[in-house]
Amino acid sequence: DAKTTQPTSMDCAEGRAANLPCNHSTISGNEYVYWYRQIHSQGPQYIIHGLKNNETNEMASLIITEDRKSSTLILPHATLRDTAVYYCIVRVAIYRNTGFQKLVFGTGTRLLVSP
Amino acid sequence: EAQVTQNPRYLITVTGKKLTVTCSQNMNHEYMSWYRQDPGLGLRQIYYSMNVEVTDKGDVPEGYKVSRKEKRNFPLILESPSPNQTSLYFCASTRQGANEKLFFGSGTQLSVL
Repeated sequence: DAKTTQPTSMDCAEGRAANLPCNHSTISGNEYVYWYRQIHSQGPQYIIHGLKNNETNEMASLIITEDRKSSTLILPHATLRDTAVYYCIVRVAIYRNTGFQKLVFGTGTRLLVSP
Repeated sequence: EAQVTQNPRYLITVTGKKLTVTCSQNMNHEYMSWYRQDPGLGLRQIYYSMNVEVTDKGDVPEGYKVSRKEKRNFPLILESPSPNQTSLYFCASTRQGANEKLFFGSGTQLSVL
């Protein structure tokens, strides 16, 4: 299975950009990278996902390296409400002809945004 | 509203007393999954289902059972709960397809005494 590794924790000052890295060196060519976050004990919330190209939405940007072995989630102007655990997830194709996938979670990065 | 509904939100039980945590989704998703979350261990997959009557073990399936008799429902069954199953549980669903979002329920906090 493609697995992901993330730093355990990171700090960021309010208003600054938060850059959260994820390593997924065994990812295959058609497997997407997803990012979710979890605030306290709530259900994880979708942020963004991508395959090869960089992606941007109203919440964040996702930068994927050309070799696809790693990615970075960027929160351009972090606020206190962005304090959460951020998960990098790879959808792993397990039966390639059927399109079925298994979702493999990383251990998550605890981001603390401080005033 | 598209959602994944788990019940109950909180559950306290005693060792050995069978329980079921329900999960239902209203989005006609093929894929459903259960996770448990423990401090310092992140989200670990218990079981997943790729469609009706198709289930498979995740990373930590011991002590759990699931069934998928209908597309919308994916209950998690603890036949004989033990204290080490005290945890926060999440159900999730998504469509098959690499470009589809995963939707999570709001969680069930289980305490086994």
